[in-house]
Amino acid sequence: EDKVVQSPLSLVVHEGDTVTLNCSYEVTNFRSLLWYKQEKKAPTFLFMLTSSGIEKKSGRLSSILDKKELFSILNITATQTGDSAIYLCAVEANNYGQNFVFGPGTRLSVLP
Amino acid sequence: DGGITQSPKYLFRKEGQNVTLSCEQNLNHDAMYWYRQDPGQGLRLIYYSQIVNDFQKGDIAEGYSVSREKKESFPLTVTSAQKNPTAFYLCASSGIQGNPPIEQYFGPGTRLTVT
Repeated sequence: EDKVVQSPLSLVVHEGDTVTLNCSYEVTNFRSLLWYKQEKKAPTFLFMLTSSGIEKKSGRLSSILDKKELFSILNITATQTGDSAIYLCAVEANNYGQNFVFGPGTRLSVLP
Repeated sequence: DGGITQSPKYLFRKEGQNVTLSCEQNLNHDAMYWYRQDPGQGLRLIYYSQIVNDFQKGDIAEGYSVSREKKESFPLTVTSAQKNPTAFYLCASSGIQGNPPIEQYFGPGTRLTVT
């Protein structure tokens, strides 16, 4: 059964801290790994990762994928209160039908 | 503007009533999905559809039904058989798998409360 696991499930930090969120997966026919940020409503897309070792970066956020060890990390440096959200990891699998498998999410709270 | 719309934003129903949540997209996507999210949890797949007039059950389809009569629309009915329907419901769409890999786009969600 395809599975995506995220850790930690919950994290509280202070502004300025750096955080690392983890996502590991077991899926057949892996195609890509996606990170989303969810504040109060719809998840918004952050990154799509398909190749090992290539860092994707957007401002203070960065992510990298290790296809050999089947995991990805999402780093946020110099955190701000606006980074408070649930961060969802999903894997797109090349199976007919249920293409996307989501992890439980990491709830990040950044305190002033 | 291209995107996915869901309505209503908030919905309140009495136990025992069926309720239908709307999802419309103008992204010309073939695939559409319904997820349920409970507090502190990730997304769980209810139903998905790869093409008009075809849909498949996800992990938690019991107590729900869908239709896909038009490419743009994928309404979800929460029936009285759903034992714990209070949740946040998200609709998503994507292109069909191919090359390059695809991402999902999400609607703003509907928060359903059943008392």
